[in-house]
Amino acid sequence: DGGITQSPKYLFRKEGQNVTLSCEQNLNHDAMYWYRQDPGQGLRLIYYSQIVNDFQKGDIAEGYSVSREKKESFPLTVTSAQKNPTAFYLCASKDTGRDVNEQFFGPGTRLTVL
Amino acid sequence: GDSVTQMEGPVTLSEEAFLTINCTYTATGYPSLFWYVQYPGEGLQLLLKATKADDKGSNKGFEATYRKETTSFHLEKGSVQVSDSAVYFCALRSSGAGSYQLTFGKGTKLSVIP
Repeated sequence: DGGITQSPKYLFRKEGQNVTLSCEQNLNHDAMYWYRQDPGQGLRLIYYSQIVNDFQKGDIAEGYSVSREKKESFPLTVTSAQKNPTAFYLCASKDTGRDVNEQFFGPGTRLTVL
Repeated sequence: GDSVTQMEGPVTLSEEAFLTINCTYTATGYPSLFWYVQYPGEGLQLLLKATKADDKGSNKGFEATYRKETTSFHLEKGSVQVSDSAVYFCALRSSGAGSYQLTFGKGTKLSVIP
């Protein structure tokens, strides 16, 4: 079955440590996205990538980094520079065809920094 | 820039009650509009969409009509069930060339009680 996988589902880290969240898709989509979800704030875009080896900052990129070395993978690193990293992180992907609108979401990773 | 405003929750309804969740938007041109649903602990799933004015999206008994004159895309369901308890997000994708991003509302939490 095609879809998006995120791992792990729950992640705990000590303050000051970098942590990398995994996102893999087998939908053959060109575009991939990372969102952060906090209670009462909806989804906010962290980074997105429209094609391999290219990515752009979203609305809240500070303290995060990404790479896009393969079409199917878009890992997100939460660095120690991110002041409040505890949140629910969602990865999404999308076909970049002209008439295609829908983004497909993974199940999310809940990160807790202790 | 683009923005989406949803009615604030939480919304609590009895089973078989009528549901309306209001959504209005600000965008230039002719955006595509979406409703996503998020069940507890999961990612987002597309519920329905509309890509042009007067289109009606529908799925699982939910409906929403793209009203350009009122810049609205209100979600309705005639008879809710306990299984509809979730957070609902209204979103838009602008019509600009190369636009791959979604703009989300803050979400409305629905609880349906037996």
